[in-house]
Amino acid sequence: GENVEQHPSTLSVQEGDSAVIKCTYSDSASNYFPWYKQELGKRPQLIIDIRSNVGEKKDQRIAVTLNKTAKHFSLHITETQPEDSAVYFCAASVEGSGYSTLTFGKGTMLLVSP
Amino acid sequence: GAVVSQHPSWVICKSGTSVKIECRSLDFQATTMFWYRQFPKQSLMLMATSNEGSKATYEQGVEKDKFLINHASLTLSTLTVTSAHPEDSSFYICSARDRNLHFGNGTRLTVT
Repeated sequence: GENVEQHPSTLSVQEGDSAVIKCTYSDSASNYFPWYKQELGKRPQLIIDIRSNVGEKKDQRIAVTLNKTAKHFSLHITETQPEDSAVYFCAASVEGSGYSTLTFGKGTMLLVSP
Repeated sequence: GAVVSQHPSWVICKSGTSVKIECRSLDFQATTMFWYRQFPKQSLMLMATSNEGSKATYEQGVEKDKFLINHASLTLSTLTVTSAHPEDSSFYICSARDRNLHFGNGTRLTVT
């Protein structure tokens, strides 16, 4: 099955700095890669996703890059703000074959200090 | 937008009792729903895939007789933790998808 590795496990940055979280996956058939933000005790919220037919996607301060050859994808947050502090999870799945299950990374706790 | 409702948001029960958690898709039909468990400071671990009108598919290591799943309609799946023990205390989250995957708010179960 799929295995998703995520690094770092914790990340502390100063407000305004950039933050980068990296994930690797093992199943070359995976073609859908979402990123979730989870605040303490709350549900994960989808913040951005990318499919394997593109290499990069951007939404305001958030961007995701995908390298299919190397089987890794990254989340980039620019101009970080204290409200970006949360746990971020990457995930991978194979879409298009009926239903698909997501395999999550272990998460990255991001702390943005004012 | 699409919403998944999960109830209750928290529950405390005594060891040996059973607890039922409901997951509803509010404005779309979901033939498939997913149940996750999340221990403190850990990732979401898929427990089982709930299939409307048929048996759930359990992940390796998840006891199907302990975690009973019923998906009787296209908008409702239930997870029943039977004979709960303190080690079952966790955050349980369901999800369902239309175009995207939507999570419920989660249920924090504490077994005393």
